[in-house]
Amino acid sequence: DAGVTQSPTHLIKTRGQHVTLRCSPISGHKSVSWYQQVLGQGPQFIFQYYEKEERGRGNFPDRFSARQFPNYSSELNVNALLLGDSALYLCASSSGLAEQYFGPGTRLTVT
Amino acid sequence: KNQVEQSPQSLIILEGKNCTLQCNYTVSPFSNLRWYKQDTGRGPVSLTIMTFSENTKSNGRYTATLDADTKQSSLHITASQLSDSASYICVVSSPRQGNLIFGKGTKLSVKP
Repeated sequence: DAGVTQSPTHLIKTRGQHVTLRCSPISGHKSVSWYQQVLGQGPQFIFQYYEKEERGRGNFPDRFSARQFPNYSSELNVNALLLGDSALYLCASSSGLAEQYFGPGTRLTVT
Repeated sequence: KNQVEQSPQSLIILEGKNCTLQCNYTVSPFSNLRWYKQDTGRGPVSLTIMTFSENTKSNGRYTATLDADTKQSSLHITASQLSDSASYICVVSSPRQGNLIFGKGTKLSVKP
């Protein structure tokens, strides 16, 4: 059984650009959460989606948005990139309130 | 403010030695406490999950303890191996918040 998959693995963007990160949850999981992990820090919660509806939002600016598709995959979008957006972006899937399983992450570098 | 504090920030030990990592939290109400292992540049992998009523849980050479009264947890690693080198993150789940609250992690280096 495939675990949580994320794409791309790495990408480099310049300030002001837009980026879309993708996540496919474990088969059967209906909940996807997004986290930002800056180097040397623990992950910070960005969004949670369950059954295509937003269930939680962390303290991030409106430049960050996300959505969940009918097949429960998810996209995280970040507009007007800033240098401070450089981080590892983690996606986690779960079957509700149960344990979350993390993907390998997308390493975003903003120059 | 709900917080999760971990200590030490970093730790270096010799292969074969034991070590204990600490986690203090102020999250309330509390659902469960998890310990994750995170290799550099990779996603976290769950080691243990403990609910309010559990005092200890083991996963191979990893043993986690929980004191819900003092809001403290520890992760004990026995007979460390080079592959144990990673960051160990304490995570608390609160039903009110609906998401996970992460500590900053303890970076463990196991040297031969």
